[in-house]
Amino acid sequence: KNEVEQSPQNLTAQEGEFITINCSYSVGISALHWLQQHPGGGIVSLFMLSSGKKKHGRLIATINIQEKHSSLHITASHPRDSAVYICAVPIQGAQKLVFGQGTRLTINP
Amino acid sequence: DVKVTQSSRYLVKRTGEKVFLECVQDMDHENMFWYRQDPGLGLRLIYFSYDVKMKEKGDIPEGYSVSREKKERFSLILESASTNQTSMYLCASSLSGLGKAFFGQGTRLTVV
Repeated sequence: KNEVEQSPQNLTAQEGEFITINCSYSVGISALHWLQQHPGGGIVSLFMLSSGKKKHGRLIATINIQEKHSSLHITASHPRDSAVYICAVPIQGAQKLVFGQGTRLTINP
Repeated sequence: DVKVTQSSRYLVKRTGEKVFLECVQDMDHENMFWYRQDPGLGLRLIYFSYDVKMKEKGDIPEGYSVSREKKERFSLILESASTNQTSMYLCASSLSGLGKAFFGQGTRLTVV
């Protein structure tokens, strides 16, 4: 069983829809990362959170430490949000990150 | 903002060649990482380094080695490239284990 599981693996939606991507983890963590990878490969860190909720523009990340679950929401989705979204948790004294498999999001105009 | 720069975006090498992938970060981060990314397998850690001349094996170190002679530079070496090392390679750095990770743009390596 993977230590970090994301769902769904693929998600296609229409522009303007509200998007939710989920991440569940089985290890104890101090913080959880959400990353975005556009076609072409580069990865950008979106959020690092250890409790509650963080918001940046149309992106919102929440985490429930007790339930070992985090969600990434996108409001008013746009085709430029099309990317792979990856959650990651630190392990091994927080020196290493373990990654989910990623969620491929496609927003159609 | 932190910049992590990988020496090549695309690389084609022949089987058996020795391949060097270079990564440089400009924010004095202690931790640096090399990952490979393959369809269906996600990101997997090859090696990481938490200080100059220090290295730790990740989950898939076989066939690879690393070098960190200076804090800002972390090199991944494929001693004798094989076709199963065709992949996207990503370098990352962070200030500490709990810090935000910054990634390079990736190197797509093809071994023929």
